[in-house]
Amino acid sequence: DGGITQSPKYLFRKEGQNVTLSCEQNLNHDAMYWYRQDPGQGLRLIYYSQIVNDFQKGDIAEGYSVSREKKESFPLTVTSAQKNPTAFYLCASSTRTESYEQYFGPGTRLTVT
Amino acid sequence: KQEVTQIPAALSVPEGENLVLNCSFTDSAIYNLQWFRQDPGKGLTSLLLIQSSQREQTSGRLNASLDKSSGRSTLYIAASQPGDSATYLCAVRPDTGRRALTFGSGTRLQVQP
Repeated sequence: DGGITQSPKYLFRKEGQNVTLSCEQNLNHDAMYWYRQDPGQGLRLIYYSQIVNDFQKGDIAEGYSVSREKKESFPLTVTSAQKNPTAFYLCASSTRTESYEQYFGPGTRLTVT
Repeated sequence: KQEVTQIPAALSVPEGENLVLNCSFTDSAIYNLQWFRQDPGKGLTSLLLIQSSQREQTSGRLNASLDKSSGRSTLYIAASQPGDSATYLCAVRPDTGRRALTFGSGTRLQVQP
């Protein structure tokens, strides 16, 4: 089955710790994205990558970092510099041509106390 | 900066009703628009994608229309069912620059049996 996997589903961390969220896709998509969703709100773009070894900041990149060493993988690190990291994090991928239709993973709920 | 608004924020209807969800956007320079469904605590499922050159798209009981010049889209759900209960999000993709989506805050739909 082709799709996007995110792990873990739930993640709990203490304040001041860095944490890395995993995102893997087997859709052969070039582009990948990370979004953050807060309760009752839409999604906001954190980072995106159009191709391996290249990525760009989105609207709320402060306190986050990413890497794109493989086409299939786009991990997100939430650093201690992120002031309010508790949220639902969603990873997506798309082609870079034609429709650019985005497909989403199941999400990771991060709670920092 | 693109802004996407969805009205109403919440909607409760009896089973069997036809209903319309509204989405408006401020910048008409879009490449396409996507409608998504999100169940509580889950990722997003793509429902319909309308290219900027199209007026509407249909899938089963769902019909989405696009009026690019006026910055509006509607999602029509025919003969609603309890299983349609979810949050519906619309998102627009710009026709230049970064091709990441800008999301509305969603309409939370409850269909009463």
